[in-house]
Order: sequence, then C-alpha cells, then structure tokens
Amino acid sequence: GAVVSQHPSRVICKSGTSVKIECRSLDFQATTMFWYRQFPKQSLMLMATSNEGSKATYEQGVEKDKFLINHASLTLSTLTVTSAHPEDSSFYICSAISGRGYPEQFFGPGTRLTVL
Amino acid sequence: GENVEQHPSTLSVQEGDSAVIKCTYSDSASNYFPWYKQELGKGPQLIIDIRSNVGEKKDQRIAVTLNKTAKHFSLHITETQPEDSAVYFCAADNDYKLSFGAGTTVTVRA
Repeated sequence: GAVVSQHPSRVICKSGTSVKIECRSLDFQATTMFWYRQFPKQSLMLMATSNEGSKATYEQGVEKDKFLINHASLTLSTLTVTSAHPEDSSFYICSAISGRGYPEQFFGPGTRLTVL
Repeated sequence: GENVEQHPSTLSVQEGDSAVIKCTYSDSASNYFPWYKQELGKGPQLIIDIRSNVGEKKDQRIAVTLNKTAKHFSLHITETQPEDSAVYFCAADNDYKLSFGAGTTVTVRA
C-alpha cells in the first residue's frame, strides 16, 4: 500500500511556458501533500506543504506566484510552474501523508523538468 | 529551524561488509527519524524509520539507532549487496516537516 504517482515523469518545455505536474495518492487519502525540489547531486528541499481544501504553505524563498499549488481532493495535488525559465529545471518530487500512518511520508517517483 | 548533518558523503564497501551512515540533528523537538534510499532518477523510498521513544530498530539487514541525548542517529546495513548501491538520506521530522541530510552515496563493490 501507500503508493504515490506523479505525472508526467519527464517534461521538456520552452522558456516562458507553464507546466503542470500532478501528484496522486493511489490507495489512500492524503491529508497532506508536500512538494520538493532536488537539484543534481543535492538533497531534497521542501518547497511547500499542501492541505486539501486550503491554501498551500510555502517555504521561505519559494515564490508562491511562480509555483502554484492546488490540492483539490484528498488524492490529488498539482504543482504548476508558471513562466518557466532554465533555472527552474530540476527534479520535482511530491510526497503524501495518509493521516493514519502519520508521520510516514510516501514519495512519488519524481518529475524531471527541463526548460529550454 | 531543524538542521540535519549527514556523514560520510560517499561510502565504498566490499560486498558482504557493513555500511554505517551517521546523522546529527539540531532541534530537540524532532521526534521521528526516517531513512530513505534513492536510486538514480527515482523518488526516495522509505527503508526504515525510528520514533523518539525507541533507541533501536531492526529490519532484516538494516538497523537504525537513535541517541536523543546526543541528538544523533545512525543507519547500519549488514551483509551489503550490489543492489544496496544508492544514495541514502536521513531526515528528521519536526512539526510535520522533514529536514533532510545531504545524502550519502553508497557503492558496494562486487
């Protein structure tokens, strides 16, 4: 159990366009989802915490107008990178907490974003 | 906020030997300490975790120890196998958030 999926797994886009990444909990309801960014050979950095039905909480230094997060249901959270630029190229990973098995976080497989 | 330090950054071991990774944390309020294994191009996979009311936990070839007084915790992998080669991250949970160590690249030599 506790499977988290992400779509797409890879995306290449042109500078200035927006990209949406989906994160789904497949076999449990996720009370809270998290979005991380990971640059090559670095650790995971938390970007924001997303609770179903409420506004996301962003970490210091993360632009909320650039990284739009929507957590419309207990199984789906989306991250939209708006007006993407090459420096936004990174590995984006989501995770979810079931609420029953707190505090275990289950991670998705990640999305590789390349902005040309 | 929480600061997690992880050592070593790289670790090369002979197949069958043991591997040990150590982490320290700064916030005494942290109460949950998971370890993740990440293979290239994939998301982190939880391999073992420990809560603050426990000093040691073991799952087959993997064990984790926690010293709350000293604020450090360690991952032990025994009888290493080539498939153990990956990047390992420790983390500390405080107030529903995970703070990660910098990671350890483990290479198991056949």
